[in-house]
Amino acid sequence: AQKVTQAQTEISVVEKEDVTLDCVYETRDTTYYLFWYKQPPSGELVFLIRRNSFDEQNEISGRYSWNFQKSTSSFNFTITASQVVDSAVYFCALSGPNYGGATNKLIFGTGTLLAVQP
Amino acid sequence: NAGVTQTPKFRVLKTGQSMTLLCAQDMNHEYMYWYRQDPGMGLRLIHYSVGEGTTAKGEVPDGYNVSRLKKQNFLLGLESAAPSQTSVYFCASSYVGLAVYEQYFGPGTRLTVT
Repeated sequence: AQKVTQAQTEISVVEKEDVTLDCVYETRDTTYYLFWYKQPPSGELVFLIRRNSFDEQNEISGRYSWNFQKSTSSFNFTITASQVVDSAVYFCALSGPNYGGATNKLIFGTGTLLAVQP
Repeated sequence: NAGVTQTPKFRVLKTGQSMTLLCAQDMNHEYMYWYRQDPGMGLRLIHYSVGEGTTAKGEVPDGYNVSRLKKQNFLLGLESAAPSQTSVYFCASSYVGLAVYEQYFGPGTRLTVT
């Protein structure tokens, strides 16, 4: 069975602090995909990143970076020099391989609420 | 491009009433999905569709029906609403390829059943 665990329910930081959001996943598939989504207070879900299981390179996009470690089944998300606009709920999600129609389904974690105080 | 749109944005129903939520996408995506979001539970898949005329059950399908008569539209129906269906409903769509691609979400519909 597939499962995504985001153990941090809420995190509060002061602006300009760095913060890491943890994501641990479980799957028996050798091919799988991991995603991060952001849900700001306005409610929409914004796609941030997609990573497949064969690419363990870390990725950096501006103040955002992601650390994928298959050895620990983790896909953590770090925000450097946090800003108030980063305040949101962040979801990690997992999908199995594409078996031609029966999958592509996302299994979501329960989300981490990040509050960045000015 | 509007992306994924949902109507209505808000709705209040009384127990036993019915309604249909409409999702439309203009990205020519084959796959479409309906999720519900409840506090502390993340998003859970209700139904999904891998193409026009096809639908399948997700994780929490009971009490809902769906239809995909046109590629760009995916309808979610509640035949007899119950208070347990109070939730925020999100529609999503995705591209199909050899890999699994990200899903793009609509703005959500907040439904309250009294």
